[in-house]
Amino acid sequence: DQQVKQNSPSLSVQEGRISILNCDYTNSMFDYFLWYKKYPAEGPTFLISISSIKDKNEDGRFTVFLNKSAKHLSLHIVPSQPGDSAVYFCAAVGNKLVFGAGTILRVKS
Amino acid sequence: EAGVTQFPSHSVIEKGQTVTLRCDPISGHDNLYWYRRVMGKEIKFLLHFVKESKQDESGMPNNRFLAERTGGTYSTLKVQPAELEDSGVYFCASSLGTSGYNEQFFGPGTRLTVL
Repeated sequence: DQQVKQNSPSLSVQEGRISILNCDYTNSMFDYFLWYKKYPAEGPTFLISISSIKDKNEDGRFTVFLNKSAKHLSLHIVPSQPGDSAVYFCAAVGNKLVFGAGTILRVKS
Repeated sequence: EAGVTQFPSHSVIEKGQTVTLRCDPISGHDNLYWYRRVMGKEIKFLLHFVKESKQDESGMPNNRFLAERTGGTYSTLKVQPAELEDSGVYFCASSLGTSGYNEQFFGPGTRLTVL
């Protein structure tokens, strides 16, 4: 039973454009969400987070939006750069971290 | 400051053999976690140590998996005997605080292939 779902396995975006990565969750008890970024042969690294009391959090080129009623969050990257090409994992905090399956982002130059 | 390290980076073994994975957390991090990612799927929680004690081992697949953290420093994860479905990437992470709100720092993972 997957509680965090990333339904797009991959996304390809042109350099300079916006990348939007989506994530859905089923457990309404989750109250904190994170995005991790992973390069090949490396472990995931923390990117940005959002508390359930907020609907937006911004850090430079990265913005996370949370829609609690829809149990949906998204990560926006503007402008996208080739170095952003990686796997992005959405994760939710319950009594442990629950991850989605990841979305491979390719930014073409 | 050194990050989380894992050894080996890759391991290829035959079904029925034993493999031991090692994780060295960031110095001073009492919390250590093991996760596994099977090809293309989600990263799944296996267990959580606080110092040398198992706080939560609800994600361990079965009794062929044994995790230890003697002395509260490095941890080992032993798979004995290994089965084909144990193949995947095993990640270790560490954090200062216990709650899930504390940032977890991940190691590069051990890729295990069981033939």
